[in-house]
Amino acid sequence: RKEVEQDPGPFNVPEGATVAFNCTYSNSASQSFFWYRQDCRKEPKLLMSVYSSGNEDGRFTAQLNRASQYISLLIRDSKLSDSATYLCVVNIYTGTASKLTFGTGTRLQVTL
Amino acid sequence: DTAVSQTPKYLVTQMGNDKSIKCEQNLGHDTMYWYKQDSKKFLKIMFSYNNKELIINETVPNRFSPKSPDKAHLNLHINSLELGDSAVYFCASSPNPQGAGPYEQYFGPGTRLTVT
Repeated sequence: RKEVEQDPGPFNVPEGATVAFNCTYSNSASQSFFWYRQDCRKEPKLLMSVYSSGNEDGRFTAQLNRASQYISLLIRDSKLSDSATYLCVVNIYTGTASKLTFGTGTRLQVTL
Repeated sequence: DTAVSQTPKYLVTQMGNDKSIKCEQNLGHDTMYWYKQDSKKFLKIMFSYNNKELIINETVPNRFSPKSPDKAHLNLHINSLELGDSAVYFCASSPNPQGAGPYEQYFGPGTRLTVT
């Protein structure tokens, strides 16, 4: 079983749609959680951290359920520029090192 | 102004050769990383250095040797290149993690290595 699992997609949605991505992680020792965005042939960039209470950043809402080891990302009012791969990421701090484990990503294509 | 830079951006070489990829960050971070992203887009950590000290060494063939001359630089040397080494290699940096985080990692633009 992969440490971080995501539906690879692609999710093809029209502009203005709401789309949700889900992610599950296997290591209950995971301590912090993120969504990164990766555009085609570019480097990953942090989209947002994910907190247990849920958090929102403009059109983006992230949720974390530690009991179910489940993370979600909701994008409202999708824009063409949202087209990218969204990477679910979990972090374990070992005491000396912070290790990020990435999911394989969910590809989003927003169309006119 | 590039925060994390890598050279070269593209590297095409033949099997059996030895090559190096260089990484530099100007963010003042203490911790640097090397990741490999394979053809299936799976991004996996290879190494991490904190202030020139190796702190993460994943199961990577010993043909791969990282070197950190100072905390702003982390280079990756690969000996006896194989076809399966073809991938995009990303360097990243972050502040020195103290506790569980969260800590943002800043990635370089990647080096696309093709072994023929």
